[in-house]
Amino acid sequence: QQQVKQSPQSLIVQKGGISIINCAYENTAFDYFPWYQQFPGKGPALLIAIRPDVSEKKEGRFTISFNKSAKQFSLHIMDSQPGDSATYFCAARSANFGNEKLTFGTGTRLTIIP
Amino acid sequence: DSGVTQTPKHLITATGQRVTLRCSPRSGDLSVYWYQQSLDQGLQFLIQYYNGEERAKGNILERFSAQQFPDLHSELNLSSLELGDSALYFCASSGLMTVASGNTIYFGEGSWLTVV
Repeated sequence: QQQVKQSPQSLIVQKGGISIINCAYENTAFDYFPWYQQFPGKGPALLIAIRPDVSEKKEGRFTISFNKSAKQFSLHIMDSQPGDSATYFCAARSANFGNEKLTFGTGTRLTIIP
Repeated sequence: DSGVTQTPKHLITATGQRVTLRCSPRSGDLSVYWYQQSLDQGLQFLIQYYNGEERAKGNILERFSAQQFPDLHSELNLSSLELGDSALYFCASSGLMTVASGNTIYFGEGSWLTVV
């Protein structure tokens, strides 16, 4: 059962543009929503995270928008740079016993072109 | 550097063989998670240990097993290997998640397993 759905699968954005990746979840017990960035041959690294009691969180060029009623959240990368080219995974987890693991979306391969 | 150490980084082995992947979590982290990432696939949760005890189980095959030792390092054992087991295996660690803290899960660099 796919509990976190992510789209698009791949994305090409011009340098300086805005990259937008969307995720939707099903499990209402989730209460922590991180985004991970993964470069080829490397492990996923936490980029930014949000809790459902806020609708938006911004860190530099990266912003998470969260819509609790729709059970959707998205990552916006402003002024996208070639160095942002990577695979991005949304994820969700719960504080409930036995559910602290991260459930990941399927990933979005982002390519920033000059 | 996430602080999570995995060995070996690369491993090539034959079908039917058995391998052990090792993970040292970040200092102070009691939870260890194992994930599998196949080529062009997402991250599939295998199993979680907390302070030596199994905490959650995902899509882990019966041929695979794991354990967490008293010093908190963990091992993932893969036996009767098949070609389809070729993948990148990640270990991750975290402290105990609370509603207040969220608690980040940190990933290691992974162990590349190739079964030939």
